[in-house]
Amino acid sequence: DVKVTQSSRYLVKRTGEKVFLECVQDMDHENMFWYRQDPGLGLRLIYFSYDVKMKEKGDIPEGYSVSREKKERFSLILESASTNQTSMYLCASSFVQGAGQPQHFGDGTRLSIL
Amino acid sequence: GDSVTQMEGPVTLSEEAFLTINCTYTATGYPSLFWYVQYPGEGLQLLLKATKADDKGSNKGFEATYRKETTSFHLEKGSVQVSDSAVYFCALSERGGSEKLVFGKGTKLTVNP
Repeated sequence: DVKVTQSSRYLVKRTGEKVFLECVQDMDHENMFWYRQDPGLGLRLIYFSYDVKMKEKGDIPEGYSVSREKKERFSLILESASTNQTSMYLCASSFVQGAGQPQHFGDGTRLSIL
Repeated sequence: GDSVTQMEGPVTLSEEAFLTINCTYTATGYPSLFWYVQYPGEGLQLLLKATKADDKGSNKGFEATYRKETTSFHLEKGSVQVSDSAVYFCALSERGGSEKLVFGKGTKLTVNP
């Protein structure tokens, strides 16, 4: 079974801190994704990466950056955390080729910015 | 851009009731369609998928049929159980693209004994 592991289930940080969320997948997937999930808004794509050192902005990249130095690891960085970044963050991965490749999700990190 | 619209929740049913969650989409190309489920405190899990018109995806008693003429992918289950209580997300991905998903906003289902 595919396993996508997010480093923390719960995280509490302070406004202005630099925050790192880590995600690791064990299935050699090319694609990796970061979403945030908010009540009434569903899932919104922050960034995705289709290869090592490659990244593309999603729908809401402002205030975030990402890093992918190794194929299995995709990090989300909040450069200077703000209270409006309090949310559930979900990482996912998938293969590139083939129609209908599903994304496989981690269990999420619930981040609170105080 | 592409979009997915699914029925607003929450939906509350009694055990063994019939479930339908409506999902319609707009897409410029020929997307693949998915239903994901999120149980409390967990990430999303793929429930079922369909990649071409008239395909029926099925899993755990849930079914959905890819209807190109009505741009719909409604989720159905004949007899729900308490353990089906979760949030359900409809999603699409463009064929031949980067496999980015566009999600609906989710429908929360509660099944009472």
